[in-house]
Amino acid sequence: TQLLEQSPQFLSIQEGENLTVYCNSSSVFSSLQWYRQEPGEGPVLLVTVVTGGEVKKLKRLTFQFGDARKDSSLHITAAQTGDTGLYLCAGAGNGGATNKLIFGTGTLLAVQP
Amino acid sequence: ETGVTQTPRHLVMGMTNKKSLKCEQHLGHNAMYWYKQSAKKPLELMFVYSLEERVENNSVPSRFSPECPNSSHLFLHLHTLQPEDSALYLCASSQDRANNSPLHFGNGTRLTVT
Repeated sequence: TQLLEQSPQFLSIQEGENLTVYCNSSSVFSSLQWYRQEPGEGPVLLVTVVTGGEVKKLKRLTFQFGDARKDSSLHITAAQTGDTGLYLCAGAGNGGATNKLIFGTGTLLAVQP
Repeated sequence: ETGVTQTPRHLVMGMTNKKSLKCEQHLGHNAMYWYKQSAKKPLELMFVYSLEERVENNSVPSRFSPECPNSSHLFLHLHTLQPEDSALYLCASSQDRANNSPLHFGNGTRLTVT
């Protein structure tokens, strides 16, 4: 069974601080997606990483896919209160015709003003 | 109009009730999904429909019954639920059911079974 462990589970920081969230597995994924879910809403896709070692930047967010495509990280620089939410990683398996993303356990981020 | 709309937003039902959750997508996507989100657990895939045909049923109890009358609408019919079925039920759609096709989620129905 493919599992994705995210760490930390909870993170409370002050505005302006930097943070990194990790997504780890013993399985290889063909690609990995990151979503953010704000309170009372559904998850929204932030980015998809496909190639091992790939780095993608989205303003203050930097996403990295591990060389072996088993893990990923999300780094946020100078966090803002608007970054508050649940961050979910989701891995796509190799092969298979049906979209069966494996979702991680989530990291709940609270950015205090 | 938002991409994926779910109604109702909140639902409280007794264990003997019958209710239905509705999902509508305005994105022209061909695949639709039901997910269950419980506290401290990863999102659980329940059902997948592609072009109105059910292609995945992840060992979900028969008290949950999906229906997809067309590619834009998806329902989840509920009957004789248990308190442990209380959760956020999320509908999603994607362009197709390719393995890495991004999901577009609705805002969910918060279900409480009393």
